[in-house]
Amino acid sequence: GQNIDQPTEMTATEGAIVQINCTYQTSGFNGLFWYQQHAGEAPTFLSYNVLDGLEEKGRFSSFLSRSKGYSYLLLKELQMKDSASYLCAVRDRTGANNLFFGTGTRLTVIP
Amino acid sequence: KAGVTQTPRYLIKTRGQQVTLSCSPISGHRSVSWYQQTPGQGLQFLFEYFSETQRNKGNFPGRFSGRQFSNSRSEMNVSTLELGDSALYLCASSSTAGRGDTQYFGPGTRLTVL
Repeated sequence: GQNIDQPTEMTATEGAIVQINCTYQTSGFNGLFWYQQHAGEAPTFLSYNVLDGLEEKGRFSSFLSRSKGYSYLLLKELQMKDSASYLCAVRDRTGANNLFFGTGTRLTVIP
Repeated sequence: KAGVTQTPRYLIKTRGQQVTLSCSPISGHRSVSWYQQTPGQGLQFLFEYFSETQRNKGNFPGRFSGRQFSNSRSEMNVSTLELGDSALYLCASSSTAGRGDTQYFGPGTRLTVL
């Protein structure tokens, strides 16, 4: 089966840096996605990794290690609006669009 | 480009009824996937349609079904509703299913079963 693990909740201070970890065990691998979801809203795409290494996009960076089944999302210069759930998802094969999601990490940014 | 749209946004049904949800993908997108989101289980894959064919299916009972039309719009149907079907139903579209293809989500339909 597929297993995606993330911490349930995290709290961080405005202006700080936070790292949200995700570990996965899937039968195949064809990419890892991070989504942000504010309460009551749709998930919005943040980043995609398919090769090992770091992808940087503004204040957000995502890292992947395929050999370790591990990824993290790094958020810098935290803002209050970053309070949301962050979802890690794995696509386990090519030619398919079924993503396996973790249960999400609820991040609370405090002043 | 307009985003993914879903109708209705909210729905209240009673046990035993059936429901149909609709999803219009981003223009030009041919793949539509459906997900169920609940507080305890998170987002779970229901099925994916591509060019009017169901390409993948998750582990949900046969009461959950779907279809896709030639204009890529998709519908999802749940028959004989149960209390546990109360959830946010999200659809996501992408252009194909190639490497790096990103899914873009609609706002969801909040279904409450009484």
